[in-house]
Amino acid sequence: NAGVTQTPKFRILKIGQSMTLQCTQDMNHNYMYWYRQDPGMGLKLIYYSVGAGITDKGEVPNGYNVSRSTTEDFPLRLELAAPSQTSVYFCASSYRGGAQHFGDGTRLSIL
Amino acid sequence: AQKITQTQPGMFVQEKEAVTLDCTYDTSDPSYGLFWYKQPSSGEMIFLIYQGSYDQQNATEGRYSLNFQKARKSANLVISASQLGDSAMYFCAMREGQRSGGSNYKLTFGKGTLLTVNP
Repeated sequence: NAGVTQTPKFRILKIGQSMTLQCTQDMNHNYMYWYRQDPGMGLKLIYYSVGAGITDKGEVPNGYNVSRSTTEDFPLRLELAAPSQTSVYFCASSYRGGAQHFGDGTRLSIL
Repeated sequence: AQKITQTQPGMFVQEKEAVTLDCTYDTSDPSYGLFWYKQPSSGEMIFLIYQGSYDQQNATEGRYSLNFQKARKSANLVISASQLGDSAMYFCAMREGQRSGGSNYKLTFGKGTLLTVNP
């Protein structure tokens, strides 16, 4: 029962570095999402996808990019990491408007 | 204006007692869904319960129930017979319905309520 799998679980980056957060799901969900959660706050939507080849911006997309080449995978790319991007990142998937299933999160620190 | 408001930053409850976590929402869409998620200290997000705007009855899932008052735009989570393992952060979230030109299945989250269950 893998569900939504995120890698890595933890990462420390230097300012200006780039990295890709991986997300894969095995539930054949067509909808996938990336959120960030800052300390003491709720989740904010970065990007989402309604199917392979289709992505759209959420509430806080600046500094990030996504791609969706397959139903299963939805990687999040950080270009030129900045301290403001220090956060916990969650990937989620859903079947249309149903409950979103979340991965365990990636804790990212930019120093 | 915030779309989801959780006015209780923290709540305390005695083990075995019931507790209500408040959530109010703001939308002009007639079709929407309301979700509650639990986030324990380990960090994962766990789906608890869902209420659709057209559902006639309040949703229930085991010890969780949703007190849905549509006219007041509130969707409070009720946890009965609290257990120590219920100590966690609880988030209310809303999915607004289909709009002209496409579907919208994004969730908007509240800031959460930290529940502490005392033995």
